[in-house]
Amino acid sequence: DTGVSQDPRHKITKRGQNVTFRCDPISEHNRLYWYRQTLGQGPEFLTYFQNEAQLEKSRLLSDRFSAERPKGSFSTLEIQRTEQGDSAMYLCASSPRLAPSTDTQYFGPGTRLTVL
Amino acid sequence: AQTVTQSQPEMSVQEAETVTLSCTYDTSESDYYLFWYKQPPSRQMILVIRQEAYKQQNATENRFSVNFQKAAKSFSLKISDSQLGDAAMYFCVIIGVVVNYGGSQGNLIFGKGTKLSVKP
Repeated sequence: DTGVSQDPRHKITKRGQNVTFRCDPISEHNRLYWYRQTLGQGPEFLTYFQNEAQLEKSRLLSDRFSAERPKGSFSTLEIQRTEQGDSAMYLCASSPRLAPSTDTQYFGPGTRLTVL
Repeated sequence: AQTVTQSQPEMSVQEAETVTLSCTYDTSESDYYLFWYKQPPSRQMILVIRQEAYKQQNATENRFSVNFQKAAKSFSLKISDSQLGDAAMYFCVIIGVVVNYGGSQGNLIFGKGTKLSVKP
């Protein structure tokens, strides 16, 4: 089991550019989550998928943000027309949808986005 | 709605000593899970310990144990025999349970974290 992986680990972009991040969950985990963590704060939920279905989106996920999980495996998070306020660590997590006692979320290393 | 409050932004402990991190929460859910996650500097979030709210017995994982006081909505973490590798940001986390399905809801709710330093 290789764990949750995210790519890239770091991204520097100019304001107004589009960026896309990828997350590969633990194999056979059918739930995948995206969180955003700003400096000195705890992560905040953005959205989550069960297989390919996007089941919930936070109000933090503005129209400039879109997430997909087309085949129920990896997921992408795209931010259009980036703003300086988008600078943050973007965390991905996955969990197995089995009995409640195993619904623990396992986190990836994150993608740190800096918008200049 | 669910909220998590960690009132200690920073804590310090001497190596081999014991430290307790505090957490209080509020929830309208009838069932929920509580977690402590650890985030070492520049490293990824790791689950330390979990507690099902319906269980009265406090969870224990090696040197880590919790004091779960459901009526008081308190969930503290005790680290015994502290080691240098325990230095990290610790987050108290809650997630609700969908009663009919029995599985958890999607979103973890994090506190702001407690930064733990371990002195050699």
